[in-house]
Amino acid sequence: SQTIHQWPATLVQPVGSPLSLECTVEGTSNPNLYWYRQAAGRGLQLLFYSVGIGQISSEVPQNLSASRPQDRQFILSSKKLLLSDSGFYLCAWGTGTVNTEAFFGQGTRLTVV
Amino acid sequence: GENVEQHPSTLSVQEGDSAVIKCTYSDSASNYFPWYKQELGKRPQLIIDIRSNVGEKKDQRIAVTLNKTAKHFSLHITETQPEDSAVYFCAASIVHFNKFYFGSGTKLNVKP
Repeated sequence: SQTIHQWPATLVQPVGSPLSLECTVEGTSNPNLYWYRQAAGRGLQLLFYSVGIGQISSEVPQNLSASRPQDRQFILSSKKLLLSDSGFYLCAWGTGTVNTEAFFGQGTRLTVV
Repeated sequence: GENVEQHPSTLSVQEGDSAVIKCTYSDSASNYFPWYKQELGKRPQLIIDIRSNVGEKKDQRIAVTLNKTAKHFSLHITETQPEDSAVYFCAASIVHFNKFYFGSGTKLNVKP
């Protein structure tokens, strides 16, 4: 069966520090991968999605970037965090075919102080 | 991209009553509409979904309806229970592109 791992679960970082969140998927090949952000009391905003290694599409201009160095690895990064980057970050994967459900990781609660 | 709007933002019902959450979408090419339930501090999990070639789908106490012409879809929960309390998100996607756009969420509180 497929599983998705995301870490760390919580993170407190000072303004201006770098960020690296990692997500890996097991039990499937060539998944579509996504990064979402959920601000407090808000919906899920699609930040990045990837259909293959090295293929990243950004949905909104922002202080973050994403990379996919391996088929089942998706990384969210920032060189310098802003206060507005605080939120709950969720990695998700999907098959992009008949079963189009998105499966979410446990999430990372990021607080920028 | 797609714009999904969801109402209400909060909903409080008495145990046993029904709850209805409504969503609209903007892109007529969207053809897949999942609903997710997110309990406090946990990941969203799929509870029901519907495709654009179907007008209604039911799974026990949960049902979803879709009106393609009006571009809106709704989640119906009957005989609500306290464990139904959570945040519910609707989403729309175009299967071919497999990008999911979510509504802003509805916090459902079922009072015992």
